[in-house]
Amino acid sequence: QLVVTQSPSASASLGTSVKVTCTLSSGHSDYAIAWYQQQPGKGPRYLMKVKSDGSHLKGDGVPPRFSGSSYGTERYLTISSLQSEDEGDYYCQTWGTGTYVFGPGTTVSVL
Amino acid sequence: EVQLEESGGDWVQPGGSLKVSCAASGFRFNGHDMHWVRQAPGKGLEWVASAGSLGDTYYSDSVKGRFTISRDNVRNSLHLQMNTLRSGDTAVYFCAREGRDQFGSGNLDSWGQGTLVTVS
Repeated sequence: QLVVTQSPSASASLGTSVKVTCTLSSGHSDYAIAWYQQQPGKGPRYLMKVKSDGSHLKGDGVPPRFSGSSYGTERYLTISSLQSEDEGDYYCQTWGTGTYVFGPGTTVSVL
Repeated sequence: EVQLEESGGDWVQPGGSLKVSCAASGFRFNGHDMHWVRQAPGKGLEWVASAGSLGDTYYSDSVKGRFTISRDNVRNSLHLQMNTLRSGDTAVYFCAREGRDQFGSGNLDSWGQGTLVTVS
């Protein structure tokens, strides 16, 4: 069964970096994922797609300080030079034939 | 500019029905699969259903048999007919476009602001 898990929270100081992890279920290490940002009170925003080889492709207008990487069944979102507007919920999502699965989300806090 | 605008959210009693819609503009609608994703109050995102550009439809187990997704490629609109509604269906319902890029598809690259459905 295709499942994705995320740690519930992550935090870092203003101007530093934070890494958010998304873990795919066993047997799905070749799956790509997508990352989304949801700021308080807003709809989700697509950030990027991350493939199993670590390559990533960002959506329109996504700042360079957002990057993606991969290792085994884990997919990562790294936010460098953290800014206050980066606070919010971050969701990963994957897909198979006729099914789309979201992770539970990670709340990022800027200290 | 891609625009997705949902409408039709309302309050409905358990067991009732409701239809929500999404008006799309700024892109070739019949070239993209379209999705409904919902978010219950204070909770995460949950994929609900998709309607492919070729007419194929898929549903999450939680709504299969109760909800029907449809699309009108002439009017550039997406719909979700919801029947036998339960309190657990209370959520903001988002319309989303599936993207296509050099990495393939699967990601939802454009979203509307959502419409609230309350079942109580």
